[in-house]
Amino acid sequence: AQKVTQAQTEISVVEKEDVTLDCVYETRDTTYYLFWYKQPPSGELVFLIRRNSFDEQNEISGRYSWNFQKSTSSFNFTITASQVVDSAVYFCALTGAGSYQLTFGKGTKLSVIP
Amino acid sequence: DVKVTQSSRYLVKRTGEKVFLECVQDMDHENMFWYRQDPGLGLRLIYFSYDVKMKEKGDIPEGYSVSREKKERFSLILESASTNQTSMYLCASSTPYLTGEGAQGDTQYFGPGTRLTVL
Repeated sequence: AQKVTQAQTEISVVEKEDVTLDCVYETRDTTYYLFWYKQPPSGELVFLIRRNSFDEQNEISGRYSWNFQKSTSSFNFTITASQVVDSAVYFCALTGAGSYQLTFGKGTKLSVIP
Repeated sequence: DVKVTQSSRYLVKRTGEKVFLECVQDMDHENMFWYRQDPGLGLRLIYFSYDVKMKEKGDIPEGYSVSREKKERFSLILESASTNQTSMYLCASSTPYLTGEGAQGDTQYFGPGTRLTVL
């Protein structure tokens, strides 16, 4: 069985602070894929990143960066210089090779205070 | 850009009514999904479809059925709505990253959601 744990239920930061959202996963698959999605107050889940288990390079996209560490089964997400528009619920998700199903974490609600 | 649309953003129905939630995607994706999202429970998969007229049960199919007559459209049906089906319903679609070993880690793209209230 697969499992994704996002231990932080809610985080509040002041604008321009850096913030890291934690994601820990469990899987028996040797090939698997990890995702992050953003859900703003409007409700739509927006895809942010997809990572396969063979690629442990960190990824940076603007103010967003992702740290994938297989040794600790973690796929953490950092927002640098946070902005009010970053306020949303962020979900980490996992799927195995050949599987149609995504296993989601419970999400972390991020509030960025001006 | 991938576009997934859902027929209604907000819907209010009465207990016992038959409810149809419609989802349309415009990217010729093979796979389509229905989830429900509840506070404290996260997203749970109700049904998915990997081809026209094909469907598979997800984690919580009880009380729901689905229909996929055309590739771009996936309908979720509540045969007799109940108050415990009050929820946010999210539709998604994906197309497989095909490798020599078959579909690998598809990215799912989501619609805006339908917030259903059953009174």
